[in-house]
This record gives sequence, C-alpha cells and structure tokens, in this order.
Amino acid sequence: GNSVTQMEGPVTLSEEAFLTINCTYTATGYPSLFWYVQYPGEGLQLLLKATKADDKGSNKGFEATYRKETTSFHLEKGSVQVSDSAVYFCALSSGGSNYKLTFGKGTLLTVNP
Amino acid sequence: GAVVSQHPSWVICKSGTSVKIECRSLDFQATTMFWYRQFPKQSLMLMATSNEGSKATYEQGVEKDKFLINHASLTLSTLTVTSAHPEDSSFYICSARKTGRENTEAFFGQGTRLTVV
Repeated sequence: GNSVTQMEGPVTLSEEAFLTINCTYTATGYPSLFWYVQYPGEGLQLLLKATKADDKGSNKGFEATYRKETTSFHLEKGSVQVSDSAVYFCALSSGGSNYKLTFGKGTLLTVNP
Repeated sequence: GAVVSQHPSWVICKSGTSVKIECRSLDFQATTMFWYRQFPKQSLMLMATSNEGSKATYEQGVEKDKFLINHASLTLSTLTVTSAHPEDSSFYICSARKTGRENTEAFFGQGTRLTVV
C-alpha cells in the first residue's frame, strides 16, 4: 500500500534560517506528491506539488523536487519567517477513479524572531 | 477559484446526541468529496470517500453506521456523527475534487472541531 514518512518534529528555527523537512514515500505506480500547510486553527492549504519525476514544485519560497530514484520529496526554504510557523504535511496521491490522499504525520515548525 | 466551506467550524455536543457537518464546494462541482479525521498531533486519516448520488466508500475500521455520509448534490456532502461519545472528539476535515479526469488536486475545507462532553 501507499505510505508517507516525514521527519519527526517539532522543528524550531530562528528567523532567516534554512529549512529542510524530509519526506519519503512508498507507492505503487507513479504518484503525485504534495506538501500541505496547516496554520494554527485552520484547515489544510496546498503549498506545492509535483506530478512526475524530477519536477520541482515551488511556492512562497518553498521548494521540493520529486526524486523517483530515492522516493523522496524533501521540502526546503532558504530563509524562514515567523509567519511560516505551521504544521507541514507531505502527501501523495496515486490517482485512479477514487482519488484520495495519503498523508505523513506532519511536522510542526516554529520560527522564532 | 476553488473554495470549500465547512460548517460549523466548531461544535460542542452532549454525549449520545448526533451532529451534522456540512462540506460545500462554493464555486465548482465536486463529484467526489473526502472526509478525514485528525487526532491531536497526528496525521489526517481518511475516513470515507463520498460520491455524488451513490453510497460512500468507507475505509477499513470506520463504522459506517456511526459516521453517516450523504452526498446528495454536486456541491454538498454531509457527515453525521451519530450517538456521539467523547472519543469521537476530533478535528474533521473534508476535501473536494473538481469533476473531470484532468483534475488532480483536492481542495480542503477549514475543518470542524467536534467536542463531545
């Protein structure tokens, strides 16, 4: 079956630090990969996605590259801000007629001024 | 746009009562909607897939008689937690996928915090 493994949190950084959140996956076929962000008290928002190998998703300074050879989709940002404090979820979809997402456990990021 | 709205955002109910949560796609049609449950500090777990005009498909371990799902139109799905108990307290989130094979993204509602006392 499908599964997503994220690095354990929480992660605490100072403003302007470099961020990496690791994500690896197991899936049949050729999944699409996603990063979702959940700000305190809110639902999930799509941060970025990649639909095929070697694609790079990017948004708001965040990037992740779909690495099929290592089955990874690590999230990076060169300089984090306090407003980036949130829970980040890596997810995959294997498509098909019943589209649904498999999520990792989430990583809590706290950025201090 | 692609906006999904859940209502209510939070609800407190007494043990033994039933609670209905609505999920609406405001500006698109959604043949398929999904219901997730999120326990504190854990990931979202898919509960069921809701298809317009047909019975929902439940994930293993989810009681279909306890979590009633209705998807009567292309813009509305409801989740009813029947005879709620404190262990049902959780964050429930829906997502909706636009109709059409080319649409691969799911859009999430803001979630509903259910507390059963």
